[in-house]
Amino acid sequence: EPEVTQTPSHQVTQMGQEVILRCVPISNHLYFYWYRQILGQKVEFLVSFYNNEISEKSEIFDDQFSVERPDGSNFTLKIRSTKLEDSAMYFCASSDQRARNEQFFGPGTRLTVL
Amino acid sequence: SQQGEEDPQALSIQEGENATMNCSYKTSINNLQWYRQNSGRGLVHLILIRSNEREKHSGRLRVTLDTSKKSSSLLITASRAADTASYFCATDARGGADGLTFGKGTHLIIQP
Repeated sequence: EPEVTQTPSHQVTQMGQEVILRCVPISNHLYFYWYRQILGQKVEFLVSFYNNEISEKSEIFDDQFSVERPDGSNFTLKIRSTKLEDSAMYFCASSDQRARNEQFFGPGTRLTVL
Repeated sequence: SQQGEEDPQALSIQEGENATMNCSYKTSINNLQWYRQNSGRGLVHLILIRSNEREKHSGRLRVTLDTSKKSSSLLITASRAADTASYFCATDARGGADGLTFGKGTHLIIQP
């Protein structure tokens, strides 16, 4: 069964460093999303992406964040200058129809900022 | 309460019993989905129910939706130890918003 994959599973970085989290969405899906979950808290929406552009973003998704689909399979989230409070689990998701069908989530990348 | 709030926050039952979790939300929705998350792992999609549906089944899962009360329930029948996990409801708001709004979840423990 097709699934969303994410790499790395765990990323440790120093405050102020740039990180890139990678995702490979399900191949025939057209909508891509990033969410984060701070330890013990709710899963929060960050951004959605369709047709090579951001279609929606939350207030969390500030100028430190960017997304890109560099090729036909990968979808990346970049955090330019990490802060301690960026430590969280980051989930990528994809769907084949905008928010009308199921969003399928990857296993997540645990980001630890020291 | 906030959009997509589940109750109870925690539930502990014996294996073989049924587990019922509830979710309430505030805004009009297109769909409501339930997800499972094992400790420290990813979100597994369980079931989606559309706003014009009232009940849906998938294996041992039964989901109901009452749009007049803005609430949903997830019933897991004949629970197993492997069902131990956190369960979240997630809504997408009517009007085309992309992002799902998740609740805080119900932590379900199945005692063997």
